[in-house]
Amino acid sequence: KNQVEQSPQSLIILEGKNCTLQCNYTVSPFSNLRWYKQDTGRGPVSLTIMTFSENTKSNGRYTATLDADTKQSSLHITASQLSDSASYICVVSAQGTYKYIFGTGTRLKVLA
Amino acid sequence: ETGVTQTPRHLVMGMTNKKSLKCEQHLGHNAMYWYKQSAKKPLELMFVYNFKEQTENNSVPSRFSPECPNSSHLFLHLHTLQPEDSALYLCASSQDVTSGHNEQFFGPGTRLTVL
Repeated sequence: KNQVEQSPQSLIILEGKNCTLQCNYTVSPFSNLRWYKQDTGRGPVSLTIMTFSENTKSNGRYTATLDADTKQSSLHITASQLSDSASYICVVSAQGTYKYIFGTGTRLKVLA
Repeated sequence: ETGVTQTPRHLVMGMTNKKSLKCEQHLGHNAMYWYKQSAKKPLELMFVYNFKEQTENNSVPSRFSPECPNSSHLFLHLHTLQPEDSALYLCASSQDVTSGHNEQFFGPGTRLTVL
C-alpha cells in the first residue's frame, strides 16, 4: 500500500535554530516528492519538488534531501524565523498517476 | 496568493441546511480538485474534474455534490451534513491530470463547521 509517514508529529524550536523534518514513503513506482508548507487557516504552498535523480533541492532557508534507495526525504530549515511556524506536508506521486499521496504533516512552532 | 480563491472562508451550518462552496482558479488550468482535511489525517481526495468532466469520485457520500460549469470554477454543494463532516475543504487546480509532475495549486480553504 502506498503510504507516506512523517516525523515528528510536532516540533517546537527557538527562533534562529535549525531543524530537520523527516518523511518516509512506500510509494512505488516513485515519480516525485514535494514538500508543502501550510500556514494555519491557509492552503498548502509548494516549497520543493524532487525527482528520482535529484538528491537535494534548496529554496532559500529550506533544503530538501531525497534518498530514493531508502525511500526517505528530509526538510532542513536553517536559521528559523517566527514565520516558519506552520505545518509541513510531504507529498509523493507515483508514476502513471496524477494523484498525490499525502503525509499527515509535521506541525512546527517557532518561539521568540 | 496561489491563483486559487475559495469562498466562503468560514461556514457554520446546521445538519438540515443546504449550502455551497465555491472555488475559482485564475491560472488557466484544466483540472480542479476537492480535498477534505481533518485534524491529524492526511488530505483526502474527494473529487477531480478534468476539462469539466468528473474523473474521480473517491467514494464520497451523496450529501456532497460537486459541480464544474467550466474549467475555472468548481462548486461543492452540501446538504444534510453530519457533524463529522466538519473540516477544512480545500480546492486545488493543476494543468491537467496527465501526470504527477503537474503541480497542484491550493486555495486557502473553507473551514466548515456542522452543528
